[in-house]
Amino acid sequence: NAGVTQTPKFRVLKTGQSMTLLCAQDMNHEYMYWYRQDPGMGLRLIHYSVGEGTTAKGEVPDGYNVSRLKKQNFLLGLESAAPSQTSVYFCASSSIAGGPGIQYFGAGTRLSVL
Amino acid sequence: GENVEQHPSTLSVQEGDSAVIKCTYSDSASNYFPWYKQELGKRPQLIIDIRSNVGEKKDQRIAVTLNKTAKHFSLHITETQPEDSAVYFCAASSLYNDYKLSFGAGTTVTVRA
Repeated sequence: NAGVTQTPKFRVLKTGQSMTLLCAQDMNHEYMYWYRQDPGMGLRLIHYSVGEGTTAKGEVPDGYNVSRLKKQNFLLGLESAAPSQTSVYFCASSSIAGGPGIQYFGAGTRLSVL
Repeated sequence: GENVEQHPSTLSVQEGDSAVIKCTYSDSASNYFPWYKQELGKRPQLIIDIRSNVGEKKDQRIAVTLNKTAKHFSLHITETQPEDSAVYFCAASSLYNDYKLSFGAGTTVTVRA
């Protein structure tokens, strides 16, 4: 049981390049989330999904797109990377059976945009 | 949307002493309040959570209290140990907001030996 797996773990991009971050969970969770973490600012929600085929905007969605084609996968895309997107990105998943469930986090992706 | 404020931003305690972190929230509909611990370079991990129908919850050396009237909740760590050194985040969510978590900015706790 791997839990929540993120790939890649590290990435360096040049301004204007694109990339996709993959999140996979094996806990059959309905909800999945993408956060970014910057020093002194906690975790901020980028986009989230409440089920396969659904996505919704979070607190800081600009510059990012997401897709949830399969229940176990949640992809985060950067179409044209900017230095302001340098951050640590965390994916999380949770069940909502019977109310709010614990959010389980992946190990994170450290992204630098030069 | 929900706004969660967390204090203090840094906390240094002597080993064996207690540590208290306080959070306030703005949305009266929030009914789920988890606390996460994040060690340096690691992922956030849940250490304790509380729902709005409970005023206090305890798990060994960790306890959380909730005051819904005042819209604040607190984390208490007793008999602190060096392994308690980490960043702690509070969060709040509600059914009416898809249970999205709004996080506080975090508290860096350092336990001095």
